[in-house]
Amino acid sequence: AQKITQTQPGMFVQEKEAVTLDCTYDTSDPSYGLFWYKQPSSGEMIFLIYQGSYDQQNATEGRYSLNFQKARKSANLVISASQLGDSAMYFCAMREPQDRDNYGQNFVFGPGTRLSVLP
Amino acid sequence: GAVVSQHPSRVICKSGTSVKIECRSLDFQATTMFWYRQFPKQSLMLMATSNEGSKATYEQGVEKDKFLINHASLTLSTLTVTSAHPEDSSFYICSALGLAGIHNEQFFGPGTRLTVL
Repeated sequence: AQKITQTQPGMFVQEKEAVTLDCTYDTSDPSYGLFWYKQPSSGEMIFLIYQGSYDQQNATEGRYSLNFQKARKSANLVISASQLGDSAMYFCAMREPQDRDNYGQNFVFGPGTRLSVLP
Repeated sequence: GAVVSQHPSRVICKSGTSVKIECRSLDFQATTMFWYRQFPKQSLMLMATSNEGSKATYEQGVEKDKFLINHASLTLSTLTVTSAHPEDSSFYICSALGLAGIHNEQFFGPGTRLTVL
């Protein structure tokens, strides 16, 4: 089963408007972290925002905010005042606690949403 | 934030040759690095976890003998694609696990685009 679901393969938004990118996740562990990354056409992965499962408040970083609804297991990214430079792929990711048999982190990416900002 | 570099950024090689990709953490020590593979219009798929001083842990379906990983120091991990074939053409991204951050964030390299002719 998919651990991270991003139901919007592509989204369009008018410049200067706000846009919400959906992300739902599946985990049975009470401790986890949620991330959003931006990947422009150059390919680099740019970290945008992080939300811990125990964080009481929704995370915000500049124009990015995370609408964290724990009971619904959703962590939607809200971009306010969209800019042309926001056009990119956006990936939601989840980090679960380290498995005792493995030394690495359990880190899963969603399929991504391609955002296009229109002038 | 922490910086991770990858070299080369782009490589074109003939089928049957081996290609080495380097991943370096420039301003911090990374005991754990990850190698991802990304096909066009798809998400990142974890290939393996590289731990300094020990053998890499490969994900299911990833051939250990084809994708050799060496994490010889706290700042360098290498991925060698042996006997590359056209189906190995992909975007390879490494990341380093930063312990200094408040949430053990992964810091990604800029990626290496491999094209096998």
